[in-house]
Amino acid sequence: GNSVTQMEGPVTLSEEAFLTINCTYTATGYPSLFWYVQYPGEGLQLLLKATKADDKGSNKGFEATYRKETTSFHLEKGSVQVSDSAVYFCALSDGGFQKLVFGTGTRLLVSP
Amino acid sequence: SAVISQKPSRDICQRGTSLTIQCQVDSQVTMMFWYRQQPGQSLTLIATANQGSEATYESGFVIDKFPISRPNLTFSTLTVSNMSPEDSSIYLCSVEDGSTEAFFGQGTRLTVV
Repeated sequence: GNSVTQMEGPVTLSEEAFLTINCTYTATGYPSLFWYVQYPGEGLQLLLKATKADDKGSNKGFEATYRKETTSFHLEKGSVQVSDSAVYFCALSDGGFQKLVFGTGTRLLVSP
Repeated sequence: SAVISQKPSRDICQRGTSLTIQCQVDSQVTMMFWYRQQPGQSLTLIATANQGSEATYESGFVIDKFPISRPNLTFSTLTVSNMSPEDSSIYLCSVEDGSTEAFFGQGTRLTVV
């Protein structure tokens, strides 16, 4: 079945550091890939998405590229801020936004 | 976008009892979903709540344990029945707005003692 593996956290960074959160997936066919973010006390929000190979999703300075050859969708940001502290979830779907399959989440802590 | 209100936000319950979680959306949506996030694990889809018909459950989840209601296009409930400590999780309601995005409630943190 489909599955998503992402790096365990917490990831602790200083403000303005470079961020990478690794995500790899296993799926039949060609799924869509997503990153969701959960800020403290809030629900999950879609951060970015990519629907086909080599697509790059981007939002709020975050980027992720759909790499079919390595089955990966790593999340990157060039310069993190304290306000980026949250839990980040990688997810896939082989049917739009229905039946999302999530990774375990990675907590990011950014200190001033 | 859709705004989801989920209640309660948290609860502590005795084993053997049941808890009903409510999910209210500020617009009519076709698809509503219920997820569970057990401690240290990923979100797992429990079921799809269908308006006017029975919910569709994923493998490992059954209606007797997790009965779901969907009386209209803006509301759904999930009941966790005959609870045990293993049911301690965060339960999340989600909706799809048709094509662009899935939206999630803040979740219900359930602790069974």
